[in-house]
Amino acid sequence: DTEVTQTPKHLVMGMTNKKSLKCEQHMGHRAMYWYKQKAKKPPELMFVYSYEKLSINESVPSRFSPECPNSSLLNLHLHALQPEDSALYLCASSLRLDSGNTIYFGEGSWLTVV
Amino acid sequence: KQEVTQIPAALSVPEGENLVLNCSFTDSAIYNLQWFRQDPGKGLTSLLLIQSSQREQTSGRLNASLDKSSGRSTLYIAASQPGDSATYLCAPGDGNKLVFGAGTILRVKS
Repeated sequence: DTEVTQTPKHLVMGMTNKKSLKCEQHMGHRAMYWYKQKAKKPPELMFVYSYEKLSINESVPSRFSPECPNSSLLNLHLHALQPEDSALYLCASSLRLDSGNTIYFGEGSWLTVV
Repeated sequence: KQEVTQIPAALSVPEGENLVLNCSFTDSAIYNLQWFRQDPGKGLTSLLLIQSSQREQTSGRLNASLDKSSGRSTLYIAASQPGDSATYLCAPGDGNKLVFGAGTILRVKS
């Protein structure tokens, strides 16, 4: 099983809303990632977690707040977003960092900010 | 900062052709390089992973090569099929993250 599950698949939110994106994997992976992909652009890294601790934050605005409550779950909390934040948000996981392992991606969550 | 370039940006071929997708990267200090495919509106599917110590990797009709010192990788697709139509992304990794190229949009016509 090489599955990364993301919910919801689609989310529409207003600029004053608070919402969350969820990601789950049961492969025993200890590295988890959030990527953002704008239309017709490549994915760009946002955050990396290693053993439930934030390892990399690619200077992401604080209106995006990641959380890793346990080794299987990764959340992305959203608050006071802007229309330009509308994108496909991809979660990924790998066995661990610094190991050169395959990174597996979920199907993504389409976010529209209105 | 790693920069990744993929050529061509788009490719349209008749079914059955063999084809080559090219990827170049500026920083050769990588752990590995992954090739992905992405169907419209979908997530990324991992196709092949080449470790920095390897020269090539094969899976079915796909073969990927890596020349780390020159910062190049190629993805060879044999006997292309309409189901191969997708965007193909290469992504060198430093062990902590992947940096993606803009992709090659492939269309295989039946």
